[in-house]
Amino acid sequence: EAQVTQNPRYLITVTGKKLTVTCSQNMNHEYMSWYRQDPGLGLRQIYYSMNVEVTDKGDVPEGYKVSRKEKRNFPLILESPSPNQTSLYFCASSLAPGSTYEQYFGPGTRLTVT
Amino acid sequence: DQQVKQNSPSLSVQEGRISILNCDYTNSMFDYFLWYKKYPAEGPTFLISISSIKDKNEDGRFTVFLNKSAKHLSLHIVPSQPGDSAVYFCALFNAGKSTFGDGTTLTVKP
Repeated sequence: EAQVTQNPRYLITVTGKKLTVTCSQNMNHEYMSWYRQDPGLGLRQIYYSMNVEVTDKGDVPEGYKVSRKEKRNFPLILESPSPNQTSLYFCASSLAPGSTYEQYFGPGTRLTVT
Repeated sequence: DQQVKQNSPSLSVQEGRISILNCDYTNSMFDYFLWYKKYPAEGPTFLISISSIKDKNEDGRFTVFLNKSAKHLSLHIVPSQPGDSAVYFCALFNAGKSTFGDGTTLTVKP
């Protein structure tokens, strides 16, 4: 089954404790992206990747890191989480840059930083 | 300043009638325009897209219209069904970078 998986689905952590949210897709997609969604707001792009080893900042990259060492995986790293990073995070992938950007989304990771 | 605006937070429509969702933008550099539907506790699901070189795209009950001069995007759903009740987001792309609207909650009443 074609899908985007994220782990963990739920995470409660404390300020400053490094964490990684994994994202993996099995569709051989070139484009991957991370978003956060806060109450009453749309999705805001954190980072995106057009292909392996190519990443770019979205609108809200501060406090986040990403890497794209292989096509299927695009982990999101929070080196020193803070309470304002409490949010719902989505990973997405699509076939190729310049296509329709029809993105397949993961189920989301709900992160709480205390 | 918000580049993409969905001015109606909510919309209620009777089953069988037309639903029209709107999205306004300010940046003329966007090259792809998409609509997504989202149910609670799930990731968004792609509905329909349109490139900047077109002004209309249809897929079954869903039609997207793009008015570049007015910087306006709309989604028409005809006929509306109760299963269409969800939050709808417009998403605009420029060379990989995306900007989403804040969403419109559509309720289709039986």
